[in-house]
Amino acid sequence: QKEVEQNSGPLSVPEGAIASLNCTYSDRGSQSFFWYRQYSGKSPELIMFIYSNGDKEDGRFTAQLNKASQYVSLLIRDSQPSDSATYLCAVNEEGGGNKLTFGTGTQLKVEL
Amino acid sequence: ETGVTQSPTHLIKTRGQQVTLRCSSQSGHNTVSWYQQALGQGPQFIFQYYREEENGRGNFPPRFSGLQFPNYSSELNVNALELDDSALYLCASSQGGNSPLHFGNGTRLTVT
Repeated sequence: QKEVEQNSGPLSVPEGAIASLNCTYSDRGSQSFFWYRQYSGKSPELIMFIYSNGDKEDGRFTAQLNKASQYVSLLIRDSQPSDSATYLCAVNEEGGGNKLTFGTGTQLKVEL
Repeated sequence: ETGVTQSPTHLIKTRGQQVTLRCSSQSGHNTVSWYQQALGQGPQFIFQYYREEENGRGNFPPRFSGLQFPNYSSELNVNALELDDSALYLCASSQGGNSPLHFGNGTRLTVT
């Protein structure tokens, strides 16, 4: 059974701070890793994807991947109240094909 | 560029009935996946379609079935509805391989 684990939160950070969201996965053969943002009552929106070990930056977002530790994280710099949402970590199965396994999500609250 | 569109937005059905949900994929995308998201959970993979063939299936019973049409649009059919089928049903399209999934706005199904 492939598993993706996330702390459900809520994770509360003050406006302007760095939010750090973490995810671990069980399938060592996983190839692709995705972060989605989901506002309450809405569908998931792709934020970042990463395929290789290391860091990948896009604006205020940085995805970090460590395949040896089976760990992926998302950093959000200069957090804004509009970043308040649930962040879903998703991992594809070995062999690709985009059959994603999702975690249950971490709720982020950015406080004024 | 047209995104992923789903219909209907909301649906209320009675236990034992059948339902059909529809999805139009994003322009240029040939792969369609369906996910079920129960309240407070991450999306769960139902199945994926590529070139009108089922290309992988999650842990869902046969009463969940689907189709993909030559224009890459897709349908999800659920027979003999159960109360636990109440969820947000998400359609996602992609260009296949390890490319990211892009989700539609979802269909909220309530079974009473």
